[in-house]
Amino acid sequence: DIQMTQSPSSLSASVGDRVTIICRASQNITDYLNWYQQKPGKAPKALIYAASNLQSGVPSRFSGRGSGTDFTLTISSLQPEDFATYYCQQSYTTPRTFGQGTNLEIK
Amino acid sequence: QVQLQESGPGLMKPSETLSLICTVSGGSVSGYYWSWIRQPAGKGLEWIGRLYASGTTNYNPSLKSRVTMSVDSSNNQFSLNLSSLTAADTAVYYCAREATATEGRCFDSWGQGTLVTVSS
Repeated sequence: DIQMTQSPSSLSASVGDRVTIICRASQNITDYLNWYQQKPGKAPKALIYAASNLQSGVPSRFSGRGSGTDFTLTISSLQPEDFATYYCQQSYTTPRTFGQGTNLEIK
Repeated sequence: QVQLQESGPGLMKPSETLSLICTVSGGSVSGYYWSWIRQPAGKGLEWIGRLYASGTTNYNPSLKSRVTMSVDSSNNQFSLNLSSLTAADTAVYYCAREATATEGRCFDSWGQGTLVTVSS
């Protein structure tokens, strides 16, 4: 199985801050890397697909970069509704695997 | 806009077999892979497996011996059976659609999730 490792596991930030979350794959997954946002009690929501493509309806303050094994999700200016847990996920092969999550909290 | 809705029992006993159904509306099950994903309380996401409308399946090796998935195209539904339940199977179970390769094969539509508790 491909292991996905996110860092940090938790992050405290303020409204307006720029934050970056890192995701590393245990082997080359080209650009088959997706990012999700999950709020308490809700299903995950797709934000970014294929490493850098914004899902329809997602604000442009979200961006993704990377290829191979190293990827980032950046939120350029945090808004109150962005405080949530973020997951990366590889869709290069089965079994599909997720990172452990990054909990983004209000400072 | 496709919508997914999970249904099934919320409480199961150890050793029983869980059966969940996902009903798809606003679109067809044809042409996509459909997955089951679970999340224990306070923990991360675990992919259980997926199936295509043709019936082709891929299961997580960690659960493969206990999982069966099937599709009912006539009713636009697909299902999950998970046998030999233990407390470790207690989780919120989600069904999700996997987008096409040109859309990164991400999970672009999710059900709201259904909590399954395994307890004697």
